[in-house]
Amino acid sequence: EDQVTQSPEALRLQEGESSSLNCSYTVSGLRGLFWYRQDPGKGPEFLFTLYSAGEEKEKERLKATLTKKESFLHITAPKPEDSATYLCAVQPPYNTDKLIFGTGTRLQVFP
Amino acid sequence: DAGVIQSPRHEVTEMGQEVTLRCKPISGHNSLFWYRQTMMRGLELLIYFNNNVPIDDSGMPEDRFSAKMPNASFSTLKIQPSEPRDSAVYFCASSGGTNSPLHFGNGTRLTVT
Repeated sequence: EDQVTQSPEALRLQEGESSSLNCSYTVSGLRGLFWYRQDPGKGPEFLFTLYSAGEEKEKERLKATLTKKESFLHITAPKPEDSATYLCAVQPPYNTDKLIFGTGTRLQVFP
Repeated sequence: DAGVIQSPRHEVTEMGQEVTLRCKPISGHNSLFWYRQTMMRGLELLIYFNNNVPIDDSGMPEDRFSAKMPNASFSTLKIQPSEPRDSAVYFCASSGGTNSPLHFGNGTRLTVT
């Protein structure tokens, strides 16, 4: 069964303390991997799409990378406003409309 | 662009009652998705439509759940009869194509007592 596993489940950081979130997957022939940010009471908001191993995307303090079995979301010098749940989702080759989501990493950044 | 609009934001109902959730996708998007989110299972795809046609409903839990998309600007998800285990946040999302990202609404929080 295709699975997406995110770790850690929760992460507490001090403002300015850089770290990484992990998304590992068992899907073979991945078509794409998506990162979303979800704030409390809101729907997930799109951040990045990665398509091939070695690809990197950046947005402000966030950088997403992709290997053949996992993706990392690196957060550099985070601020309290980066606090949110970060979700990753994979796009399997047999049904590119059907994203498989992980359960997310809940990030809290304290001033 | 108003984004994906869902209503109601919150719904509290008693077991056995019918519940209807509504969604207006982003104009011009041809794919619409219904997801359910719980703490235990995360986001689960229930059903999705392409050009108003249901493509895959394998995620619909059981016959109590049904979804329709009568036109390109409106979809409903109905639960009849509702049960306490249906309590969750239900999200609608739309996209402009296969490799386009999903745009989510802010969800409907359903509580069935």
